[in-house]
Amino acid sequence: AQSVAQPEDQVNVAEGNPLTVKCTYSVSGNPYLFWYVQYPNRGLQFLLKYITGDNLVKGSYGFEAEFNKSQTSFHLKKPSALVSDSALYFCAVRAYSGTYKYIFGTGTRLKVLA
Amino acid sequence: DAGVIQSPRHEVTEMGQEVTLRCKPISGHNSLFWYRQTMMRGLELLIYFNNNVPIDDSGMPEDRFSAKMPNASFSTLKIQPSEPRDSAVYFCASSLGGGRGDTQYFGPGTRLTVL
Repeated sequence: AQSVAQPEDQVNVAEGNPLTVKCTYSVSGNPYLFWYVQYPNRGLQFLLKYITGDNLVKGSYGFEAEFNKSQTSFHLKKPSALVSDSALYFCAVRAYSGTYKYIFGTGTRLKVLA
Repeated sequence: DAGVIQSPRHEVTEMGQEVTLRCKPISGHNSLFWYRQTMMRGLELLIYFNNNVPIDDSGMPEDRFSAKMPNASFSTLKIQPSEPRDSAVYFCASSLGGGRGDTQYFGPGTRLTVL
C-alpha cells in the first residue's frame, strides 16, 4: 500500500539551530514528494517538491529537503530555525492507487523556541 | 491571481440542516480536490475532479455528502443532513492537472461546526 509516515508528532528546536522534520514513504514506482506548511487558521502552503534529478531540493523560506531513495526518506531541513517557522508541516506523496492521489502524512508540529 | 477562494470561511449550523461549501479554483487549473481536516483523522481526501469530472470519490464518507463541479471555475460540497461528527475544516485545492508532479494550491478552508 502507498503510504507516508511522519514519525514525530512534534519537534522542538531552539531559534538559530538547524531543524529536521522527518518523512518516510512507501510507494511502488518513482515517488513524487512534497512538503507543505500550515500556519494557524490557514490552508496548506507549498514549500517544495521532488520530481527527479538532484536529491537536494531547495524551496521557500530557506527550507530544503533531501531525497534518499535507499532509505525511502524525504526529510525537511533548514540550517537556522526562526520562531516564525513554528507551524504544522505535512509531507505528501503522489502515488497511484486506482487513480493518482496525493497521500498526506499526519503532520509534524514544529515549535521554534526563542 | 487571488488563489483558491472558499466560502464561507466559517459556518455554524444545527444538526439536520443542509450545508453547502463553495470553491473557486485558480484560473487555468484543471484539477480540483476537496479535503477534510480533523484532529482525530488528520487530512483526508474526499473527492477529486479533473476537467470537471469526478475521478475519485472513494473518500466521500457517506451518501449525505455530495460534490459537483458544473464548470471549470466553481465547485460545491454539500452535506445533507449535517451531523455533529461532520464538524471539521474543509479545504479545497486546485492544480494544473498536467502531471504527477503537479503542485496543489490550497484555499483558506471553511470551518464547519454542526451543533
